[in-house]
Amino acid sequence: DTAVSQTPKYLVTQMGNDKSIKCEQNLGHDTMYWYKQDSKKFLKIMFSYNNKELIINETVPNRFSPKSPDKAHLNLHINSLELGDSAVYFCASRPGQGSYEQYFGPGTRLTVT
Amino acid sequence: GNSVTQMEGPVTLSEEAFLTINCTYTATGYPSLFWYVQYPGEGLQLLLKATKADDKGSNKGFEATYRKETTSFHLEKGSVQVSDSAVYFCALSERTGTASKLTFGTGTRLQVTL
Repeated sequence: DTAVSQTPKYLVTQMGNDKSIKCEQNLGHDTMYWYKQDSKKFLKIMFSYNNKELIINETVPNRFSPKSPDKAHLNLHINSLELGDSAVYFCASRPGQGSYEQYFGPGTRLTVT
Repeated sequence: GNSVTQMEGPVTLSEEAFLTINCTYTATGYPSLFWYVQYPGEGLQLLLKATKADDKGSNKGFEATYRKETTSFHLEKGSVQVSDSAVYFCALSERTGTASKLTFGTGTRLQVTL
């Protein structure tokens, strides 16, 4: 059973389009995250939700909007895509308080042309 | 703010060689420390962790010891295999409850040859 899954795995789209990436975890974790990995492999947090509540919102353009319909799902919607949005986006989840390791999904490679 | 510094890669080793990947950190509190591994085309996998000073994390022959006095968490393996070729990330997480997040180093690419 896949613990943290993301769809789609690959996403190729044109500038100006709007797209969504979906994430689901079946680990029963309370906290979920979105990270962005750039072309040099650098990873940076974007957002975090705890039990459907937004708790971390880093300096991210407001074209990016996360949404958590329930604690097992965290989606990322991106409006007006730009070339610089091309990256790999990783979803992750974390168990409850006292445990700080995170478990990552396989990633979504977004290419904006 | 928090930061993690890793040695520049790539690191190229022959099979069965000894591996060390250096990692040092800066944190305001007492973070948990992690090593993650990313195989080509895949997501990040937790390799090992340590939650307090002098803890040693170990998994699949890899080890790292949480050294508070030197703020380091160096990754070691006694005998690498070709299958260990991947990018290795050192990371820390402040223990700040629900608002905790991972701060990553830049990653070190390891290439193991026959």
